Amino acid sequence: QKEVEQNSGPLSVPEGAIASLNCTYSDRGSQSFFWYRQYSGKSPELIMSIYSNGDKEDGRFTAQLNKASQYVSLLIRDSQPSDSATYLCAVTFGSARQLTFGSGTQLTVLP
Amino acid sequence: NAGVTQTPKFQVLKTGQSMTLQCAQDMNHNSMYWYRQDPGMGLRLIYYSASEGTTDKGEVPNGYNVSRLNKREFSLRLESAAPSQTSVYFCASRDPAEVYVEAFFGQGTRLTVV
Repeated sequence: QKEVEQNSGPLSVPEGAIASLNCTYSDRGSQSFFWYRQYSGKSPELIMSIYSNGDKEDGRFTAQLNKASQYVSLLIRDSQPSDSATYLCAVTFGSARQLTFGSGTQLTVLP
Repeated sequence: NAGVTQTPKFQVLKTGQSMTLQCAQDMNHNSMYWYRQDPGMGLRLIYYSASEGTTDKGEVPNGYNVSRLNKREFSLRLESAAPSQTSVYFCASRDPAEVYVEAFFGQGTRLTVV
């Protein structure tokens, strides 16, 4: 069973702070890693994707990947109330055909 | 620019009834997926189809069947609905030949089994 684990929530941070979300995965052969944001009652939407070890930055978001340790993280700088949502980590398994999600971390940014 | 379209958006079933959830994508993707999402939980994979003509079980396949009708369409069938199948169902598609491409999601189907 391919597994993706996310740090338990819910997570609350004050506005302007850094939110840190973590995810570990079980398959060393995984190639693609995605962070999705999901607002209540809506579909998941892609925030970041990362494929190589190291950091990838896009605006206030930074994804970090460490394949040796089998973890991927998402940092949100200068958190805003509009960032309040559930964040889902997704990992591809099995020749990139199976896409497995973690259970999600609910983030609340307090004004 | 439809992307992934699911029907219906809402459905209420009585225990034991059957229904089929429809999903269609217009992005020419090879792979399609059905997930369910329960309150406070992530997306759990029910079935997926890596390419036209193939289907595979995911994490929670019991009580469901699927059909990959053609490259565009992937349906999910509940033969005898149970209250435990009350959930939000999402269909998604992606092209695994493009390893670094994300999945695209439909708007979801909210199913209640009473």
